[in-house]
Amino acid sequence: EIVLTQSPGTLSLSPGERATLSCRASQTVSNNYAAWYQQKPGQAPRLLIYSVSSRATGIPDRFSGSGSGTDFTLTISRVEPEDFGVYYCQQYGDSPLYTFGQGTKLEIK
Amino acid sequence: QVQLQESGPGLVKPAETLSLTCAVSGHSISSGHWWSWVRQPPGKGLEWIGEIHESGRTTYNPSFKSRVTMSVDTSKNQFSLNLNSVTAADTALYYCTRQGHYCMDVWGKGTTVTFSS
Repeated sequence: EIVLTQSPGTLSLSPGERATLSCRASQTVSNNYAAWYQQKPGQAPRLLIYSVSSRATGIPDRFSGSGSGTDFTLTISRVEPEDFGVYYCQQYGDSPLYTFGQGTKLEIK
Repeated sequence: QVQLQESGPGLVKPAETLSLTCAVSGHSISSGHWWSWVRQPPGKGLEWIGEIHESGRTTYNPSFKSRVTMSVDTSKNQFSLNLNSVTAADTALYYCTRQGHYCMDVWGKGTTVTFSS
């Protein structure tokens, strides 16, 4: 099983600052099938990024993804107040087919 | 616009079978997509349970394989989850999702399942 470890656990930023969220896999992620989700309290997760760097429909371009192999990054170029929540990375390819990281909580100062 | 809606009993008893259904609207379940169940224990992260195709093909998370069964009803445009021999550890918010490009691109709002003795 591929274990995804996210860091930091919590990120506290002011609006306009840059957010960098990390996701490290215990093994190489097949074909770079890595995705990112945002979850706000009381809501279902929302897909932000798939296949490492492709933005999902309707996602603002301040969100971007990068990385390969075992290291992946979600960057928010300029954090907005509505970007608070927990962010999860996810990989596809190994058994189990899908695993998630434990999450990074983004707090807005 | 694709919408997913989970339904099922909010309470389950020890050793019983948890049964949930996901109704799909705005999109045919027979579209070639795979459809999944994901759960989230209170205050914790996400765990993938398994997926099903319109053809009935399934892939399960080995952590659940001996207890889980998924089915699809194309005539009702819905799919279902059965998880047997439940324990308190199965208390969670259960989501149904549509699989996109090796990710989950549409999510239901989720349904809470609580273990009750």
